[in-house]
Amino acid sequence: ILNVEQSPQSLHVQEGDSTNFTCSFPSSNFYALHWYRWETAKSPEALFVMTLNGDEKKKGRISATLNTKEGYSYLYIKGSQPEDSATYLCAFIPPRGSTLGRLYFGRGTQLTVWP
Amino acid sequence: ETGVTQSPTHLIKTRGQQVTLRCSSQSGHNTVSWYQQALGQGPQFIFQYYREEENGRGNFPPRFSGLQFPNYSSELNVNALELDDSALYLCASSLLDSHVYGYTFGSGTRLTVV
Repeated sequence: ILNVEQSPQSLHVQEGDSTNFTCSFPSSNFYALHWYRWETAKSPEALFVMTLNGDEKKKGRISATLNTKEGYSYLYIKGSQPEDSATYLCAFIPPRGSTLGRLYFGRGTQLTVWP
Repeated sequence: ETGVTQSPTHLIKTRGQQVTLRCSSQSGHNTVSWYQQALGQGPQFIFQYYREEENGRGNFPPRFSGLQFPNYSSELNVNALELDDSALYLCASSLLDSHVYGYTFGSGTRLTVV
């Protein structure tokens, strides 16, 4: 069983604060990592797909980094806004084989941004 | 470009009954995966279908079964429902081997077993 851990479990910040959370995954067996943003009652939406050690991706105020050697990825949100409130899920994909593109999800970090 | 649609959005079933959940895949996608999210957990992989055949299965019993149709839409069937089957069921469509593009998810079916 592959273990993907996310921390913190939940986070409450004020509008304008910057924040970051962590996804840890097995470092010995890596193919890709996905970050998803999931608002209540909506579909999880792909934010980033990361495949290379040292990858840095950015979309507006949100960015992510990847360290495959030590098995972690960070998601950063600069100047949080109330509309950033959502659950942020990371999903690990090991190399192909019997897993066939299966996503191993963490439990998510639930972010609440107060105005 | 259409998204992924799941139906129904909610349903309540009694223990022992059977249920069918439906998923339409995004236009152009040929692979559908199903995930179960129990309360407080991350989504867990149930199985994946590619071109109408099961293409990988997670740690779920045989009473969880599925189908994929020629238009790539899919069904998840659960027989002999148990209380622990209460969860959110998510469907995701993709192209096979498209791990670098991210998957397109539906908004899920909330199943409650009483």
